Amino acid sequence: DIQMTQSPSSLSASVGDRVTITCRASQSISNYLNWYQQKPGKAPTLLIYAASSLQSGVPSRFSGSGSGTDFTLTISSLQPEDFATYYCQHGFSTPYTFGQGTKLEVK
Amino acid sequence: QLQLQESGPGLVKPSETLSLTCTVSGGSISSSSYYWGCIRQSPGKGLEWIASIFYNGSPQYNPSLKSRVTMSVDTSKNQFSLELKSVTAADTAVYYCARHRWQVIRTRGYFDYWGQGTLVTVSS
Repeated sequence: DIQMTQSPSSLSASVGDRVTITCRASQSISNYLNWYQQKPGKAPTLLIYAASSLQSGVPSRFSGSGSGTDFTLTISSLQPEDFATYYCQHGFSTPYTFGQGTKLEVK
Repeated sequence: QLQLQESGPGLVKPSETLSLTCTVSGGSISSSSYYWGCIRQSPGKGLEWIASIFYNGSPQYNPSLKSRVTMSVDTSKNQFSLELKSVTAADTAVYYCARHRWQVIRTRGYFDYWGQGTLVTVSS
C-alpha cells in the first residue's frame, strides 16, 4: 500500500495568516493527490483533486501543488471557517489511502 | 444537488455481519463516470477506504478487508450496499458513503460527494 504522511499533525494560526500543509507519498503517485477538509461531526468535503484542481464551489484562497511524492495545500488568507482538520488522499491505485490529518487550530 | 444517505443498524454484535445501505438522490447511480464507495473513520485508524462499486456491479476492494467485504448495487432503487462479515470491536467506526469519480483508468480517483456518515458500534 502507498503510505501518505502529512506534516504538521497540528498547526496554530490566526485569521489572515498564510498556511501550508504538506503531504508525502511513499512512492510516486504522479498528480493523483486529493485534499479534503473535515469539521467536527461532519463528513469530509473535497477541496482539491488532481493535486491542483479546485473543486467547484471551493474558495480560491485554497490551492494545491506538487507531483510525484511531495504535495502542498496552501490557504492564502485564513478565514474563521477554515479552522478544521485537513486530509490528503492518493488516488493513484487501490487501495486508496489517506494521510493521518492536520488539525488547524486558532492561535 | 446530489445527496447520499447511509442507513443501517447502529449496533452490531461481535462475529455478526454489518450491513449498510446507501441511497443516492439528485442523480443517477447508473453513470459511467463514477464508482460508489464506502469509507470508514475510527479514532485508531483514521480514514480508511473499504470498497467501491460500479453501476454494473464491478467492485474494487481494499485487500485488507476483501475477505470479509461484499458490495452490491441496485440501480432500480438507486442504492448500493456494503456487507462486512465477522465484525470485531476494531470495526467500530463512522461509516460514510461517497461518490467516487474515477480518473483516466478505473483504479484511480477521488471522492467528491459524501453522505453524513453513520456510527456503527460493535459490542455485545
